[in-house]
Amino acid sequence: DTGVSQDPRHKITKRGQNVTFRCDPISEHNRLYWYRQTLGQGPEFLTYFQNEAQLEKSRLLSDRFSAERPKGSFSTLEIQRTEQGDSAMYLCASSLVQGSGNTIYFGEGSWLTVV
Amino acid sequence: KNEVEQSPQNLTAQEGEFITINCSYSVGISALHWLQQHPGGGIVSLFMLSSGKKKHGRLIATINIQEKHSSLHITASHPRDSAVYICAAGFNNDMRFGAGTRLTVKP
Repeated sequence: DTGVSQDPRHKITKRGQNVTFRCDPISEHNRLYWYRQTLGQGPEFLTYFQNEAQLEKSRLLSDRFSAERPKGSFSTLEIQRTEQGDSAMYLCASSLVQGSGNTIYFGEGSWLTVV
Repeated sequence: KNEVEQSPQNLTAQEGEFITINCSYSVGISALHWLQQHPGGGIVSLFMLSSGKKKHGRLIATINIQEKHSSLHITASHPRDSAVYICAAGFNNDMRFGAGTRLTVKP
């Protein structure tokens, strides 16, 4: 297993277009997270899944954003009607939750530029 | 106020210097993570700790639960240590991240 992988790594899109990012977590990991990171800032939580269930969504996740993890494996994050303010890196992470505290593994991120 | 505060924001050191990055958090946590992020975005988990101290090579992480404070130390710093170091407080189902400390180690 090569870790958490994200696709595409870079995406440039015109304002108003829809974009979708995919995340493939480490195979046995039951928890999957999406974060957004802008330049000079730490990552901000967007949402997370426990298996296929989406258990929490940040208020940062407007109704233009939707995330799915249909079979409890890979996940997609779709942004509809993109705005310039959506330009950021979207990070996926996964972990295996066992008791309290769990090592989290991050993907390389998907850079979005909205022009 | 951010729940996780890091200092300094930027740090420049000469090769060989001892480096300390500090992290304070305001919420109860299950674990404290130190992460390293290189240009291009990839993040690597360095440490996860809930008490005491951990050491890995030239890196040492400590945490004081009562004071809600953690430190990351780098001994004998090297230019390849140049990166952004992020502190993240894990609690329940989520993590809260600091803004990161940008470290530059000059040869």
